[in-house]
Amino acid sequence: DIQMTQSPSSLSASVGDRVTITCQASQDINNYLNWYQQKPGKAPKLLIYDASNLETGVPSRFSGSASGTHFFFTISSLQPEDIATYYCQQQDSVPVTFGGGTKVEIK
Amino acid sequence: QVQLQESGPGLVKPSQTLSLTCTVSGGSINNDNYYWSWIRQHPGKGLEWIGFIHYSGTTYYNPSLKSRVSISVDTSKNQFSLNLISVTAADTAVYYCAKDPTVHQLGGRFDLWGRGTLVTVSS
Repeated sequence: DIQMTQSPSSLSASVGDRVTITCQASQDINNYLNWYQQKPGKAPKLLIYDASNLETGVPSRFSGSASGTHFFFTISSLQPEDIATYYCQQQDSVPVTFGGGTKVEIK
Repeated sequence: QVQLQESGPGLVKPSQTLSLTCTVSGGSINNDNYYWSWIRQHPGKGLEWIGFIHYSGTTYYNPSLKSRVSISVDTSKNQFSLNLISVTAADTAVYYCAKDPTVHQLGGRFDLWGRGTLVTVSS
């Protein structure tokens, strides 16, 4: 199975801050990397697919990028409604696997 | 607007079979472009993919669960179902069904999720 190592596991930032989450794959995944947002008590929501493509309807302050087996998820200006846990997930091969999650809080 | 809704027992006894159904509304499950998936989340933990099915009957399962899991589709009811046999407390989780539009990539992007249903395994 492909291992997805996500960091940090949690972070605290102020409204308006730029926030970046990192995900490293244990092998090449051909940029088949998705990012999800999960708010407490809710189902995950797809934000970014194929490393850098914004899902329809998702605010442009969310973005994704890649460098080899390292993937980056950025919130350009943190908003109160962005409080959630974020997960990366690879779909290059079965079984699809998720990172451990990053809990984002407001300072 | 396609919507997904999980249903099934919230409590299952150890060694018995966990059975859940996902009802697809607002669209047809008979779509060449979609896989239909099950994903679970243990309490306070991360996400684990269980498997997915195409309306044609093609299935893919997580090898860690493959010996205990089966996913089926009922096109007449616009539903797909999960069966997990020989459950233990370790199968206690929130179970989600999800839609996957990446048949062309062999699956694995979940662009629409149900609300999830908590299944507790306990005697």
